[in-house]
Amino acid sequence: RKEVEQDPGPFNVPEGATVAFNCTYSNSASQSFFWYRQDCRKEPKLLMSVYSSGNEDGRFTAQLNRASQYISLLIRDSKLSDSATYLCVVNRFQGAQKLVFGQGTRLTINP
Amino acid sequence: EAQVTQNPRYLITVTGKKLTVTCSQNMNHEYMSWYRQDPGLGLRQIYYSMNVEVTDKGDVPEGYKVSRKEKRNFPLILESPSPNQTSLYFCASMSWTSGDSYEQYFGPGTRLTVT
Repeated sequence: RKEVEQDPGPFNVPEGATVAFNCTYSNSASQSFFWYRQDCRKEPKLLMSVYSSGNEDGRFTAQLNRASQYISLLIRDSKLSDSATYLCVVNRFQGAQKLVFGQGTRLTINP
Repeated sequence: EAQVTQNPRYLITVTGKKLTVTCSQNMNHEYMSWYRQDPGLGLRQIYYSMNVEVTDKGDVPEGYKVSRKEKRNFPLILESPSPNQTSLYFCASMSWTSGDSYEQYFGPGTRLTVT
């Protein structure tokens, strides 16, 4: 079983729709959590950190449930420019800080 | 401007021919890392370095070497490349400022094909 699991998609949704991504992690020692965005053939870029209380950044809302070891990302009023792969990332300490990446969920927003 | 640079960006080579992919960062970060990305497998860590002369294996270190002689540079060395090392490689540097707050930058990636 992978340490960080995501539905690989692809998700194809119309512009303006609300999209939700889910991610589960298996290591209860995980300390911090992030969502990254990766455009085709480009490097991943940090989209937002995920806090226990939930956090919002414009149209993006991230939630964390430590008890269920579950992370989510909600995108409201989706735009064409939101088309990308979204990576769930978990950080844990194992002698050193270690980031573990999910395989990513591909999203395409259609006009 | 905060930057991680990698060279070359694209490389096609033959089995067994030693190659080095360079990585350099200008943010004075202590922690640097190499990843490979393959379809269906996501990003997997190859090696990481917590500081100068301190390196350690990640999840998939076989067939790779690294060195960290200076803080800014972290080259990835393939002594004898094989076709299963065909992949997209990313170098990254990061620092933890406090608690969950951190910054991380990836290089633009190196697409390697080994024939």
